[in-house]
Amino acid sequence: DQQVKQNSPSLSVQEGRISILNCDYTNSMFDYFLWYKKYPAEGPTFLISISSIKDKNEDGRFTVFLNKSAKHLSLHIVPSQPGDSAVYFCAGYKAAGNKLTFGGGTRVLVKP
Amino acid sequence: DTAVSQTPKYLVTQMGNDKSIKCEQNLGHDTMYWYKQDSKKFLKIMFSYNNKELIINETVPNRFSPKSPDKAHLNLHINSLELGDSAVYFCASSHWGPGELFFGEGSRLTVL
Repeated sequence: DQQVKQNSPSLSVQEGRISILNCDYTNSMFDYFLWYKKYPAEGPTFLISISSIKDKNEDGRFTVFLNKSAKHLSLHIVPSQPGDSAVYFCAGYKAAGNKLTFGGGTRVLVKP
Repeated sequence: DTAVSQTPKYLVTQMGNDKSIKCEQNLGHDTMYWYKQDSKKFLKIMFSYNNKELIINETVPNRFSPKSPDKAHLNLHINSLELGDSAVYFCASSHWGPGELFFGEGSRLTVL
């Protein structure tokens, strides 16, 4: 039962361009959504989050958009930099049980 | 000074053995977690503890037994290891609520 899905396993983008990562969810009970970034041989690190009552949150080069009717969120990285090359995980948070459920991840490669 | 540290980082062992992974956090968080990242790279919650009390126990075989001696530690003991237990196990901690999780670097377990 995969409640959070990232259907694109990988994405390649040119440095300076926009990276758009997509995430779909099936559970309407999520209270927050979070994005994590993971480098090889390291643990995931938090990137940005959005409350389920918002439709946009921006932090520097990172913006997350939430479309509740479509049960879809996206992460925009502008401009993309080589250091952004990593695996990005989308996650849904439920306050009941304090539980974070992750998607399968999208590997991003930013080419110089 | 590592915020969430887990040991060992690598563990290679034979089927049927029992092994433990230790985790410690120095962030003053009240909630700790174990996540498993399998060969398909999905990050799945196994357990969470809040103030040493078990909160989440997903459908994990009871060969896996977490122990939280205090709020700063959450250890994972695995009995009778099986081939399918091979994975990377991540410890994480947070304050209770929708804030970010801080992950350790992971412990790669290989069962031969």
